[in-house]
Amino acid sequence: GAGVSQTPSNKVTEKGKYVELRCDPISGHTALYWYRQSLGQGPEFLIYFQGTGAADDSGLPNDRFFAVRPEGSVSTLKIQRTERGDSAVYLCASSLNSHGTGELFFGEGSRLTVL
Amino acid sequence: QKEVEQDPGPLSVPEGAIVSLNCTYSNSAFQYFMWYRQYSRKGPELLMYTYSSGNKEDGRFTAQVDKSSKYISLFIRDSQPSDSATYLCAMSYNTDKLIFGTGTRLQVFP
Repeated sequence: GAGVSQTPSNKVTEKGKYVELRCDPISGHTALYWYRQSLGQGPEFLIYFQGTGAADDSGLPNDRFFAVRPEGSVSTLKIQRTERGDSAVYLCASSLNSHGTGELFFGEGSRLTVL
Repeated sequence: QKEVEQDPGPLSVPEGAIVSLNCTYSNSAFQYFMWYRQYSRKGPELLMYTYSSGNKEDGRFTAQVDKSSKYISLFIRDSQPSDSATYLCAMSYNTDKLIFGTGTRLQVFP
């Protein structure tokens, strides 16, 4: 497709369960980002990849969160032992490179609800 | 104190009004300043991008950056109901690790 694709669009899970969220970036974009947006807040940076490697994971809140991008395209955000406080919209974005132009292309997000 | 402060609104204006949105920030190292628009249940989309201080105009939209005051603004002229959305300011140092404001919800009524 032409844009960033995220699946699932909605995910409801129980506290303590494991969750995977997938992001398919725009073809040819080398940089990929994960952000988290809570209700009434702006997106909060989690991690970004340049190619296959995590260039900056300083925003991951704790070791229950992990992300991979094994082939430099699709990325998966993994959350272990989910907590109610993890409920948010998880946004993925991609850009042509990571040289500070600010032009990130966002997907529509995966809305995670932890009961 | 948050690095980026933005009034959450909501801001309600009549069609045709001039809208002024703004953000303040605390870190003088920010070099890149952006405005994103986010419709309900959609991802943010880039509206305006400015490097360092100055003004930038694109159609009905004008972005201003005043680094000496650590203050940025977005002006929307001749506002339309289709402009109703949340407007997010964002900033970065030298990468695309963006720091966002909380967003201002704008409603333009006919």
